[in-house]
Amino acid sequence: ETGVTQSPTHLIKTRGQQVTLRCSSQSGHNTVSWYQQALGQGPQFIFQYYREEENGRGNFPPRFSGLQFPNYSSELNVNALELDDSALYLCASSSGTLPVEQYFGPGTRLTVT
Amino acid sequence: RKEVEQDPGPFNVPEGATVAFNCTYSNSASQSFFWYRQDCRKEPKLLMSVYSSGNEDGRFTAQLNRASQYISLLIRDSKLSDSATYLCVVKAAGNKLTFGGGTRVLVKP
Repeated sequence: ETGVTQSPTHLIKTRGQQVTLRCSSQSGHNTVSWYQQALGQGPQFIFQYYREEENGRGNFPPRFSGLQFPNYSSELNVNALELDDSALYLCASSSGTLPVEQYFGPGTRLTVT
Repeated sequence: RKEVEQDPGPFNVPEGATVAFNCTYSNSASQSFFWYRQDCRKEPKLLMSVYSSGNEDGRFTAQLNRASQYISLLIRDSKLSDSATYLCVVKAAGNKLTFGGGTRVLVKP
């Protein structure tokens, strides 16, 4: 086990709704990165948070937003959900911003109907 | 063209055999390279980093060819437990990791 936890494990939402996913990083890690993994594809980088600031973003629209808290846990918020947002959402924690080694949580499986 | 491309497989491998597969990347400025393993419906886990000189970890050998912009992974003496999807991961400048789509390996008795 990596010590990275995510909640909830599964979630079903309706198109147009909003969702918040949560991630607790491994003890001692100050960086959280979020990824979206569609079925049969590799994870796609959404953004990274380092010391409560966004520190890099992938090709995702502004309706994907995030937060990092003083204890380094993080939230991913997605507004105006679309069917294509159905995916496994993974968070990974690391120490520092260089991804020498990232530890992934078990993911949240989001289904949008 | 995708930034990181992998043959999706599956590679059907007899137990005890050797299997090798490649991953190509498009950004010549890429700095760091990794192989991750992902079991079905589980999170990715770091298998090994890939160094310029090539490196070995037990039955696993990784190679980097910067001139042709590809990395490879070779698995010797395949075990049933090696069945998984192997994700090629590349880091260019900055902090973003780019994952390939994965290569599925099925080791059969």
